[in-house]
Amino acid sequence: NAGVTQTPKFRILKIGQSMTLQCTQDMNHNYMYWYRQDPGMGLKLIYYSVGAGITDKGEVPNGYNVSRSTTEDFPLRLELAAPSQTSVYFCASSFPGTSSYEQYFGPGTRLTVT
Amino acid sequence: KQEVTQIPAALSVPEGENLVLNCSFTDSAIYNLQWFRQDPGKGLTSLLLIQSSQREQTSGRLNASLDKSSGRSTLYIAASQPGDSATYLCAVMRAQKLVFGQGTRLTINP
Repeated sequence: NAGVTQTPKFRILKIGQSMTLQCTQDMNHNYMYWYRQDPGMGLKLIYYSVGAGITDKGEVPNGYNVSRSTTEDFPLRLELAAPSQTSVYFCASSFPGTSSYEQYFGPGTRLTVT
Repeated sequence: KQEVTQIPAALSVPEGENLVLNCSFTDSAIYNLQWFRQDPGKGLTSLLLIQSSQREQTSGRLNASLDKSSGRSTLYIAASQPGDSATYLCAVMRAQKLVFGQGTRLTINP
């Protein structure tokens, strides 16, 4: 099992450009999440999904979009990149069939917007 | 709104010492609490998960406790080693969503 994988690992964007951060999990988890982590801070929830076709906003959704067409994939879209979106982005997944709902995290994507 | 606070923000201790990291949360209606480790430039490694019905969990030299009524959790690290140097994050879960503290950056000096 690869677990949760994210691509790319690093990316530099110019202001106003768009990009998609990819997230894939091979654990057949229903729930998937996107977080961002600013320097010296904890993680904040951007969007989450409880299954294919179902997504909802987290604490900091502005400037981002998501879709969930399959169980495995949960891409995060930045339409008009801004310097405030410079951050490290983490994807996570969990399986509600366990009692703990423990979340498993990917290695992160480090994004710089200049 | 749930808020999670970790004190201190940074801690430096000599090797071999026992130490305690603190985590507090404002809403006691949580499903569980997790402690994570994060090495510089890396992702998160789950250390311990405590269900809301539990009081503590242990793994090797690590022991985490949970007191829901007071909104507090502690992570106890015994016989600290330089390899324990990292940032430690706690997070509380409610409605299948995690709310994170800002972390404690721990340095163990040889």
